[in-house]
Amino acid sequence: AQSVSQHNHHVILSEAASLELGCNYSYGGTVNLFWYVQYPGQHLQLLLKYFSGDPLVKGIKGFEAEFIKSKFSFNLRKPSVQWSDTAEYFCAVNGGNTDKLIFGTGTRLQVFP
Amino acid sequence: GAGVSQSPSNKVTEKGKDVELRCDPISGHTALYWYRQSLGQGLEFLIYFQGNSAPDKSGLPSDRFSAERTGGSVSTLTIQRTQQEDSAVYLCASSDEGLSYNEQFFGPGTRLTVL
Repeated sequence: AQSVSQHNHHVILSEAASLELGCNYSYGGTVNLFWYVQYPGQHLQLLLKYFSGDPLVKGIKGFEAEFIKSKFSFNLRKPSVQWSDTAEYFCAVNGGNTDKLIFGTGTRLQVFP
Repeated sequence: GAGVSQSPSNKVTEKGKDVELRCDPISGHTALYWYRQSLGQGLEFLIYFQGNSAPDKSGLPSDRFSAERTGGSVSTLTIQRTQQEDSAVYLCASSDEGLSYNEQFFGPGTRLTVL
């Protein structure tokens, strides 16, 4: 069965600090990988996704993620965070014959000015 | 354009009562998904519709949970004889064509509280 692990449950940073959120998945076949973000009081929205091609994926708001197949990882990065990046971040995967998303437990990011 | 909408936004009910949660997907989206977000459990898949049929119901936690979709559009999730452990935010998402790499667009959710 597919599963997703996000090891950082709560991250606190100052503005301009660099960010890396870990995501590891378990699934032996071809996968599609997603990062979703939920800003306070808002819907879940897609930050970026990987399904084929260049393993370094760029998303909205300066975020990027790198798919490393050998490590079953899809870590999210941003070189310089802003206060407005305060949110909860979810890594998700689907693959095989299923369209359903399997989510990690989420990482709460707090950025202080 | 309009996004995914869900109603009600909040529902408080007594243990043992039945509840119905509604989802209006983005117009033209053929795939519709229900998820549940609860403390300690994260986001869990419940059921997936392609058109009006549900090829994957594997996430429904018990036979008290059911869902239907009519006209390839609106979906209703019904929980019978609610229990306190059903308290959660129920999220609906839709996507175009149901391709696995397509973005799923999420609604605002229905917060269900079972007293």
